Amino acid sequence: GENVEQHPSTLSVQEGDSAVIKCTYSDSASNYFPWYKQELGKRPQLIIDIRSNVGEKKDQRIAVTLNKTAKHFSLHITETQPEDSAVYFCAASINYGGATNKLIFGTGTLLAVQP
Amino acid sequence: GAVVSQHPSRVICKSGTSVKIECRSLDFQATTMFWYRQFPKQSLMLMATSNEGSKATYEQGVEKDKFLINHASLTLSTLTVTSAHPEDSSFYICSARRTGGANEKLFFGSGTQLSVL
Repeated sequence: GENVEQHPSTLSVQEGDSAVIKCTYSDSASNYFPWYKQELGKRPQLIIDIRSNVGEKKDQRIAVTLNKTAKHFSLHITETQPEDSAVYFCAASINYGGATNKLIFGTGTLLAVQP
Repeated sequence: GAVVSQHPSRVICKSGTSVKIECRSLDFQATTMFWYRQFPKQSLMLMATSNEGSKATYEQGVEKDKFLINHASLTLSTLTVTSAHPEDSSFYICSARRTGGANEKLFFGSGTQLSVL
């Protein structure tokens, strides 16, 4: 089955700096890669996702890149703000005909943005 | 975005009792829902896939008789933790799949913190 690894487990940056979180996956059939932000005791919130037919996607300060050959994808947050502090999870899934199969999550990254 | 409601948000029960957790998609129909378990400072571990009108598919290592899943309608899936024990204490969270071609997404419930005494 699919296995998703995520690094680093913790990341501390200064406000205004960039943060990069990396994930690798094992199943070459996976074609959908979402990123979630989870604050303590709350539900994961989808912040950005990418499908295997594109290599990069950007939404304001957040971007995701995908390298299918190497089977890894990354989350980039620019101009970080204290409110970006949370746990971030990557995930991978096989999506057939628009229907996402089960999501397999990475181990999470605790991002701390120091003011 | 789509709304997924999960109830209760927190439950404390005695060892040996059963606890039912509900997951509802409020503004869309969800033929498929997923149940996850999350320990403190850890990732979300998939427990089972809940399919409307059919049996749930459990992940390896998850006891189907321990964690009963029922998906009787297109908007409701329930997870019942039977004969709960302290080791079942955890954060349980559901997600519902909203279909729609290229815009298909998964949305999460708010989670249930279960504490078994």
